[in-house]
Amino acid sequence: GAVVSQHPSRVICKSGTSVKIECRSLDFQATTMFWYRQFPKKSLMLMATSNEGSKATYEQGVEKDKFLINHASLTLSTLTVTSAHPEDSSFYICSASPGQGGGFATNEKLFFGSGTQLSVL
Amino acid sequence: GNSVTQMEGPVTLSEEAFLTINCTYTATGYPSLFWYVQYPGEGLQLLLKATKADDKGSNKGFEATYRKETTSFHLEKGSVQVSDSAVYFCALRKGTSGTYKYIFGTGTRLKVLA
Repeated sequence: GAVVSQHPSRVICKSGTSVKIECRSLDFQATTMFWYRQFPKKSLMLMATSNEGSKATYEQGVEKDKFLINHASLTLSTLTVTSAHPEDSSFYICSASPGQGGGFATNEKLFFGSGTQLSVL
Repeated sequence: GNSVTQMEGPVTLSEEAFLTINCTYTATGYPSLFWYVQYPGEGLQLLLKATKADDKGSNKGFEATYRKETTSFHLEKGSVQVSDSAVYFCALRKGTSGTYKYIFGTGTRLKVLA
C-alpha cells in the first residue's frame, strides 16, 4: 500500500523555539494532506487541510500564524509550530490523499504517517 | 455537529477471546464509516469500511455493520490474537469527492495476552 513518512517521530524543544515536522508521500503524489492533533484520551482533531501549491485551510480555533503549513510539492508537506509553548505539547499526525492521477478520487483514501510526539519544556 | 464516540480503553483480552469495540456516531445525512488500526510505531491503516446502511465491512477476521437505526458501527472479532494488539479508531467521512473530511473517535487500545 501507499506509504507516508513522518519525521521526526519524537521531538523535545524549549519554550519559545520553533519545530518543523515533515510529512512525505513516498510512492504517490498527494494533492491533499491533512494535519491532525491528538491530546491524551481525546479524538484526532483535524487542524488543517493543505493542497499542493495553495494556502492551507485551517479549522476553526486553529491559529494559522502559530501552526504554519507548507505544501510546496506533491510529495511533501510541513507543519511548523512557531514559538512553541508547553500547551502545544501533543501528538501530531499527518495524512495524505492521492490525486486523480493515482486512480483514486481526490480524498477518497487516506494514508497516515506514524505521528510526531512533541514535548515543549 | 458530526462526532464519533467509542469506548474507552484499554481493553485487555486473552488470546482467542471475543472482541467488541463499540462505536456510535452523530451526523447529518449518510456518512461513510471506517475503522482504522494503529500498530505500535506505525501510522493508522484502514481496517474496514462501510458506505451505506446495513453494509458490513470485514477484513482480517474483523467485522462491523453500519446500523443506521442505532447510529452504530461496532467492531467485532470472534477470536483475537496477540498480533491484534493495537489502537483502533472509529471514523466517519462527510462531504463529497474533493471535499471529504474525516472525523475520528478517541481510539481504543486493545491488549491481547497470550
